[in-house]
Amino acid sequence: AQSVAQPEDQVNVAEGNPLTVKCTYSVSGNPYLFWYVQYPNRGLQFLLKYITGDNLVKGSYGFEAEFNKSQTSFHLKKPSALVSDSALYFCASYTGFQKLVFGTGTRLLVSP
Amino acid sequence: EPEVTQTPSHQVTQMGQEVILRCVPISNHLYFYWYRQILGQKVEFLVSFYNNEISEKSEIFDDQFSVERPDGSNFTLKIRSTKLEDSAMYFCASSAGSSPDTQYFGPGTRLTVL
Repeated sequence: AQSVAQPEDQVNVAEGNPLTVKCTYSVSGNPYLFWYVQYPNRGLQFLLKYITGDNLVKGSYGFEAEFNKSQTSFHLKKPSALVSDSALYFCASYTGFQKLVFGTGTRLLVSP
Repeated sequence: EPEVTQTPSHQVTQMGQEVILRCVPISNHLYFYWYRQILGQKVEFLVSFYNNEISEKSEIFDDQFSVERPDGSNFTLKIRSTKLEDSAMYFCASSAGSSPDTQYFGPGTRLTVL
């Protein structure tokens, strides 16, 4: 079955430090990969996506993600974390033409 | 920036009652979706809708569920006879095209079935 995995339930990082939120995928064909962020009582906000081309994708709020085909990974990164980055992060992938499949989510906690 | 909107933000209903969740997708988008997120679980695809018909649905989307685009702006999800296990956050999304276009999500409707 096509799936996306987020191996960490929570990531803790100090403000100003780099952060990484991990995602691995198992999809057939070309992977179309997305990161979304969910703040409390809010919907899912699109951060960035990988379709093709450059393996380093830049997105909103200073986030970027690195696509690695050999490791089937699409980790989300940010060079310097902010307290306001604390939220729930979801990795997702298209399976077929219209359906997104999501990972279980990773809670990012940035401490002052 | 255009956004997907959803109403109501929170709906409480009794088991067996019908509920209609409403969404206004981004105006020039052609594909519409419903997803749900049971508390503490992952976001799950329910259904996609294009050209006034269902184009894909999951096994969750059984005969109790239906979707409709009653006019040029609204997109609704109806649950005919709610069950306790239908309690979840329901997200509407829209996209300009199919894969790999980005799906943009609304803020969600929290459905509580008592």
